Amino acid sequence: DIRMTQSPASLSASLGETVNIECLASEDIYSDLAWYQQKPGKSPQLLIYNANSLQNGVPSRFSGSGSGTQYSLKINSLQSEDVATYFCQQYNNYPPTFGGGTKLELK
Amino acid sequence: EVQLVESGGGLVQPGRSMKLSCAASGFTFNNYDMAWVCQAPKKGLEWVATISYDGSSTYYRDSVKGRFTISRDNAKSTLYLQMDSLRSEDTATYYCARHVPNFGVMDAWGQGASVTVSS
Repeated sequence: DIRMTQSPASLSASLGETVNIECLASEDIYSDLAWYQQKPGKSPQLLIYNANSLQNGVPSRFSGSGSGTQYSLKINSLQSEDVATYFCQQYNNYPPTFGGGTKLELK
Repeated sequence: EVQLVESGGGLVQPGRSMKLSCAASGFTFNNYDMAWVCQAPKKGLEWVATISYDGSSTYYRDSVKGRFTISRDNAKSTLYLQMDSLRSEDTATYYCARHVPNFGVMDAWGQGASVTVSS
């Protein structure tokens, strides 16, 4: 199975700040990488797919980048509604695997 | 509006069975592969199983092979997960999710069904 390692595990940031979350795959996943947002008590929501494609309806302050084994999610101008846990997921190989999550809180 | 509504969760003893259902609406169910994803309390997400749009192909994570069965009834727009020989480590919230066509990405999720395996 492909192992997905996210960093940091938790993050505290201020409103308006830019936030970066990293995801490292144990092998090349050829940009088959998605990012999900899970707000407290809610189900996950798709933010980004194909490493850098924004899902319909997702604010443009979210962006994804990366290739090979290294990927990142960037949130510009942090808003209060962005408080959530963020997960990366690879879908290049079965089984699909998720990162351990990054919990984002407001400072 | 795409909606996925799970049902059938609850408390079950180790070794017993439970069946989850997921009622889909707002899209053409039989055009999409579907999946179950679980999340243990305070833990991350784990893919459980996927079924192709027509039910002809199924895929499982190793830890549930031979114990769980994913199925679907396209006439009823409903996805199922039959869970047998349940173990304490199966305790989790189980989400029904829709696959984006031709991708392993999941673009719609249900609210989740809580399963607790305990004596």
